[in-house]
This record gives sequence, C-alpha cells and structure tokens, in this order.
Amino acid sequence: GQSLEQPSEVTAVEGAIVQINCTYQTSGFYGLSWYQQHDGGAPTFLSYNGLDGLEETGRFSSFLSRSDSYGYLLLQELQMKDSASYFCAWGGYSTLTFGKGTMLLVSP
Amino acid sequence: EAGVTQFPSHSVIEKGQTVTLRCDPISGHDNLYWYRRVMGKEIKFLLHFVKESKQDESGMPNNRFLAERTGGTYSTLKVQPAELEDSGVYFCASSQATGSNYGYTFGSGTRLTVV
Repeated sequence: GQSLEQPSEVTAVEGAIVQINCTYQTSGFYGLSWYQQHDGGAPTFLSYNGLDGLEETGRFSSFLSRSDSYGYLLLQELQMKDSASYFCAWGGYSTLTFGKGTMLLVSP
Repeated sequence: EAGVTQFPSHSVIEKGQTVTLRCDPISGHDNLYWYRRVMGKEIKFLLHFVKESKQDESGMPNNRFLAERTGGTYSTLKVQPAELEDSGVYFCASSQATGSNYGYTFGSGTRLTVV
C-alpha cells in the first residue's frame, strides 16, 4: 500500500529554522506536495517537488530525493503565524495521498 | 477570486439520517475533488470530477455515499443512511488543471458528526 510518515509534532522558537521530514512508500509516484493547515481551516498548498532537489518559495523550501523516498519542508525565519499543521502528500494523476500531518508549534 | 466554498460548515445528525454536503469550486475549475478526514486519521481521497464526469471514485467507502456534479459547477455529497463511522471533516478541493503539481485549492470543510 501507499504510506507517508512524518513526525506528529515539532516545536521551535520565533526566528529559528525548522525541518519537517517525510518518508514515503508508494507506487506510481508523481511528486511530493506540502500543505499547511491552520486550526480548523482549509489546507493550503505550499509547494510541489516533481524532480529531485530543492524548491524555494520565500521563507519555505521543499526538498525531494526519489532514491531515498524522502522529502522535507524547511521553514526559515519562523514566525508565530507559522504555527499550524503541515502535511506531505504523494501525488498521483488525480489524487493525493496524505501523511497524518506534523503540528508545528512556534513559541516566542 | 472567491475560494472554494463548502456548506454547511458543521452538521450534527442522528445515525440513519441523510445528510447532503455542498461544494462550490472556484469558477472555471473543471477539476473537483472530495476528501475526508476521520478523527486521528489521514486526509483521504474520496473522488474526483472533471466537469460533470466522475474521473476517479476509487476512494468512496461504500454505496451509502453518492456524489454528483450536475452541469459541472457545484457538487453535492450525500450520505444515506449515515453511520457513526462517517463522522469526520469532509473537504472539497478544486483545480484548473489535472495533476497534483499545480496544487489544489481546498475549502474549509464540513464537520459531520453522526450521533
């Protein structure tokens, strides 16, 4: 079957850098996406990696290594508003398979 | 542009009753998806519409669930009869192009509680 593993919770302080890892076991892999969800809200698309390497979007970067079945989301210059749940998701042609999510808690 | 709108935001129904969830995608988005998150579990795919056609309904749990998208605009997801294990948050998402690389725009979800 398909599965993605990510830590359940990560804590960090404002201004710090945090990395959220995601390992996966899938077939028919297309790419790895990352979504952010603030409590009770809509998941919001952050990034997509279809090829190995690093994708940068402002303070957020995402990395993929297909050979290691591994990816991560890197958040820099953390702000309080970054406290949220972050989901990695394996992308098929029309579907996404999500991990259980990582709750990031940013403290002052 | 307006986002993906879901109605109602919350619904509490008794086991055996019927509930209909509605999703209004972003205007012009041909692709519409339904997902749900049962308590403590992952967000799971239910089905995918391209315009009014069901592209993939492999995630629908059983025949108590019926999704429609008449005219290729808004979509409804009916649960009849509802069971306790149907409780969870039902998300709708839409995208202009097919393919997860473009990112999906999700609605805030409908929290369904079956008692």
